[in-house]
Formats: sequence, structure tokens, C-alpha cells
Amino acid sequence: EIVMTQSPATLSVSPGERATLSCRASQSVSSNLAWYQQKPGQAPRLLIYGASTRATGIPARFSGSGSGTEFTLTISSLQSEDFAVYYCQQYNNWPLYTFGQGTKLEIK
Amino acid sequence: QVQLVESGGGVVQPGGSLRLSCAASGFTFSSYGMHWVRQAPGKGLEWVAFIRYDGSNKYYADSVKGRFTISRDNSKNTLYLQMNSLRAEDTAVYYCAKEIMEWLPLDYWGQGTLVTVSS
Repeated sequence: EIVMTQSPATLSVSPGERATLSCRASQSVSSNLAWYQQKPGQAPRLLIYGASTRATGIPARFSGSGSGTEFTLTISSLQSEDFAVYYCQQYNNWPLYTFGQGTKLEIK
Repeated sequence: QVQLVESGGGVVQPGGSLRLSCAASGFTFSSYGMHWVRQAPGKGLEWVAFIRYDGSNKYYADSVKGRFTISRDNSKNTLYLQMNSLRAEDTAVYYCAKEIMEWLPLDYWGQGTLVTVSS
């Protein structure tokens, strides 16, 4: 099983600032990496796939990078609606997906 | 637009059974693989099961293998998850989700249905 590890567990950032979230895979997943956003009481929403491709309707302030085992999600200028939990997911081993444990992005 | 609506959750005793349903609309259901993903209270996401667009292949997480069965009825645009021999650790919100296409991630999710396993 491919284990996904996210860091940090919690990230405190002020509105308008940049947030950088990390995800590491236990073995190479090439660029088969997605990021999801989840707000309380809601289902996850796909943000990024292919490590860097924004999903439909996702604002340009969200960007993804990386390949192999190291990945980053960057939110360039945090808006109030961006404070949520973010999950990375590998699909290199489709359909046996695995998710990271999540990073909670909170208001500083 | 794409809609996925889960139902069938509830409270069940350990060792009991439950069947979840997911009604799909707004897309050609019979052309897409479908997944179940769960989330225990206050925890992260755990992939549970997958069924190919035509039902020809099914895969399960080790944690549910032999106890859960995924199925679909393309004539009714509905996905199912039959859960047997339920344990306390199966308590979670269960989401059905559509994949973008094979070898890609999940682009649409339902709102989830809560399953509580407790005596």
C-alpha cells in the first residue's frame, strides 16, 4: 500500500498571506496526485489533479506542484472561504486510492 | 448537473448488516466507475470500494474485504454497498463518488450518509 503523509497537521495563516501544504508518498506516484478541500459538514471537493492541473471552476490562487514522492499545494492569497481541511490522494495505484491524513488550514 | 444522493445509513448493532444506496443523475452513469469512500467522525478519508462502469471488476480495501459488497444497477442509475458483519470501527460517513475516468481521481461526491455501529 502506498502511504501518503501530509505536513503540517495544522497550519495557521492570516488572510491574504500564502499557504504552502506538503504531501509525501511512500513510493513514487509519478504525477498521479490529487488535492481535495473539505469544509465542515461538506463532502470533499476536487481542487487539483495530475499534481498541477486545476479542476473545473477552481480559482487560479490554488496551484499544485511536484512529482514522484514530494508534492505541494500552494494557495497564493488566502481568502476567508479557503480555511478548511486539505487532503492529498494518490491514484497511481488506481483504483486502490489512498489519502493523506489531512492538513487543517486555520485562521491566524 | 451531476448529483449523487446517498441513503440507507442508520444505527446498527455490531455484527449487523446495512445496505447503502447512491442515486446518480446528471451524467451517463453506465459509463463511469464509481467508488465508496468513508470518513470516521473527526478523522480523515478512507477509500472503501470500487466498481467498474459495467460491474465487471470490483476492488475493496483490506479493512472491508469479505464483509462489504459493492454493486450497481445501471438501469436504475444506482450504486450500492452491502455491509455485513459490521464493527464499531465501521462507524463513519459513507460517500459515493464518481471518478473523472479510469486512472483519474474523483470529481463528484455525494453528501454522505452516516452509519453508526453501536450496541
